[in-house]
Amino acid sequence: QKEVEQDPGPLSVPEGAIVSLNCTYSNSAFQYFMWYRQYSRKGPELLMYTYSSGNKEDGRFTAQVDKSSKYISLFIRDSQPSDSATYLCAMRQDTGRRALTFGSGTRLQVQP
Amino acid sequence: EAQVTQNPRYLITVTGKKLTVTCSQNMNHEYMSWYRQDPGLGLRQIYYSMNVEVTDKGDVPEGYKVSRKEKRNFPLILESPSPNQTSLYFCASSPRHPGEQYFGPGTRLTVT
Repeated sequence: QKEVEQDPGPLSVPEGAIVSLNCTYSNSAFQYFMWYRQYSRKGPELLMYTYSSGNKEDGRFTAQVDKSSKYISLFIRDSQPSDSATYLCAMRQDTGRRALTFGSGTRLQVQP
Repeated sequence: EAQVTQNPRYLITVTGKKLTVTCSQNMNHEYMSWYRQDPGLGLRQIYYSMNVEVTDKGDVPEGYKVSRKEKRNFPLILESPSPNQTSLYFCASSPRHPGEQYFGPGTRLTVT
């Protein structure tokens, strides 16, 4: 079993929809949680960075962390065709091995 | 412009022919790392470096070498490439270990 699980999609939604992307994980030591966006033929770029549990909002993006359920989410409001990309979750511990562990990514398609 | 650059972007080579993929960052970051990205497996860390002359193995280091003689450069060396090293490679840098990572554009390597 992978340490971080992410549905590969593709997830296809109409423009303007609210999108929910999720990851589950098994390592209770993870404390830092990140979401990266990767356009085709590009490197990943950091979207959201959160510590421990709770919510963080940045424009149309909201990241949620539920450590009790080992579940993190990224919500995109008013989705746009330009949001079409692969979304990767990543997480790491605070102590010990602090390398990032990535999910395999969810491909999102926003239809105009 | 703050960026991570990689060269070459595309490379086709034959089994056993030594190659080097260069990586350079202009952000004065201490932490740099190399990843490979394969379908269904996500990003897996190959090697990382916390500073000049300090390198360590990631999750999949077999068949790879790295060096960090200068802060800005972190080349990836394949001494004797094999077909199972066909992959998309990303270099990344971070101001903190490992913190938010800034990724390069990727190098698509094919080994025949």
